[in-house]
Amino acid sequence: QQPVQSPQAVILREGEDAVINCSSSKALYSVHWYRQKHGEAPVFLMILLKGGEQMRHEKISASFNEKKQQSSLYLTASQLSYSGTYFCGTIGGSNYKLTFGKGTLLTVNP
Amino acid sequence: KAGVTQTPRYLIKTRGQQVTLSCSPISGHRSVSWYQQTPGQGLQFLFEYFSETQRNKGNFPGRFSGRQFSNSRSEMNVSTLELGDSALYLCASSLTEASKREFGPGTRLTVL
Repeated sequence: QQPVQSPQAVILREGEDAVINCSSSKALYSVHWYRQKHGEAPVFLMILLKGGEQMRHEKISASFNEKKQQSSLYLTASQLSYSGTYFCGTIGGSNYKLTFGKGTLLTVNP
Repeated sequence: KAGVTQTPRYLIKTRGQQVTLSCSPISGHRSVSWYQQTPGQGLQFLFEYFSETQRNKGNFPGRFSGRQFSNSRSEMNVSTLELGDSALYLCASSLTEASKREFGPGTRLTVL
């Protein structure tokens, strides 16, 4: 089942912070986060495992709340290069199928 | 190391035709998965192969099929193309089924 991401879109000024949420209705084994820039392939950011710690990639961090089956991506002091569509992908159940949400379009303006 | 490669990068077909897309994973990666990307729909899972066996399949009609070879290279085939099959088809490889996916540049398929 497809995870739900919110918000669908967000516009920031350089230096501002943002949070992107990802929630699932099923028990999760892991949450993956990817960023896709226009015309390019998705690029891996980080994986959060059940029972694991909060992860960080440069000034981007993420958490995984196992009880709520939710993950949040935190973008701190956003840079122009952070612009793109962020996808969360989830793995749960009895197989390792990675199912993605519909994405969050992040735009960082000067 | 070389990344995931996909061929061809662009393809134009007409309704009713069939098409085969190819994906070469990163060396050492045994898992290959395929996704269809269309505007507003995100990344829709098609199927995943590990060591030549299909491990998972998405909710796509039987016109969509795939396979993986002993060298981990994978192909996907779409028969009897429809206008709605126009999309970017992305291939991703990973060391294992649980590890991070490395995506290829995709094949842009246009069905006229």
